[in-house]
Amino acid sequence: KAGVTQTPRYLIKTRGQQVTLSCSPISGHRSVSWYQQTPGQGLQFLFEYFSETQRNKGNFPGRFSGRQFSNSRSEMNVSTLELGDSALYLCASSMTGVSQETQYFGPGTRLLVL
Amino acid sequence: KQEVTQIPAALSVPEGENLVLNCSFTDSAIYNLQWFRQDPGKGLTSLLLIQSSQREQTSGRLNASLDKSSGRSTLYIAASQPGDSATYLCAVNLSGYSTLTFGKGTMLLVSP
Repeated sequence: KAGVTQTPRYLIKTRGQQVTLSCSPISGHRSVSWYQQTPGQGLQFLFEYFSETQRNKGNFPGRFSGRQFSNSRSEMNVSTLELGDSALYLCASSMTGVSQETQYFGPGTRLLVL
Repeated sequence: KQEVTQIPAALSVPEGENLVLNCSFTDSAIYNLQWFRQDPGKGLTSLLLIQSSQREQTSGRLNASLDKSSGRSTLYIAASQPGDSATYLCAVNLSGYSTLTFGKGTMLLVSP
């Protein structure tokens, strides 16, 4: 079974631009969560989608948004990029997103904002 | 607000040693706690998941314990190997869904 895939793996953008990251969950998984990882703040929860609906949201500004498609693939978008948005963005999938399930993480997309 | 702390931040040991990584959390109302491993530049790999009703979980050379009342978990690694070198993260689940609150990790280096 293929694991969680994320594209692109690396991305360089300039301040003010916007960016879209993609996550394909493990086949059969319907819950996708997104996390931001930085050296200073560590891993922080962004949002979680289940059946095309955002079910939970972390404490991030509205510039961070996401969506999920009917095939469970998910995208996250960051508008008006700031230098502080430079980070490793990880997505994770699980069957239904309930706490008892193990989450499987993708390799991440490393975003550098110049 | 839930805070998760991991001590030590970094650890260097010779191969073959048994070691303990610590994780503490401020809110004991958790659904479960997970230990992950992260290799440089890569995603996270789940190692052990302990439900709130459980006291410990074991997988191979790894054993994780959970004491909800004191807000503590430990990850015990037996007979460490160079391949165990990685950052180990603990995360707690408060919501009943897949939202995790992570500690900042312990960076482990096992020397041959």
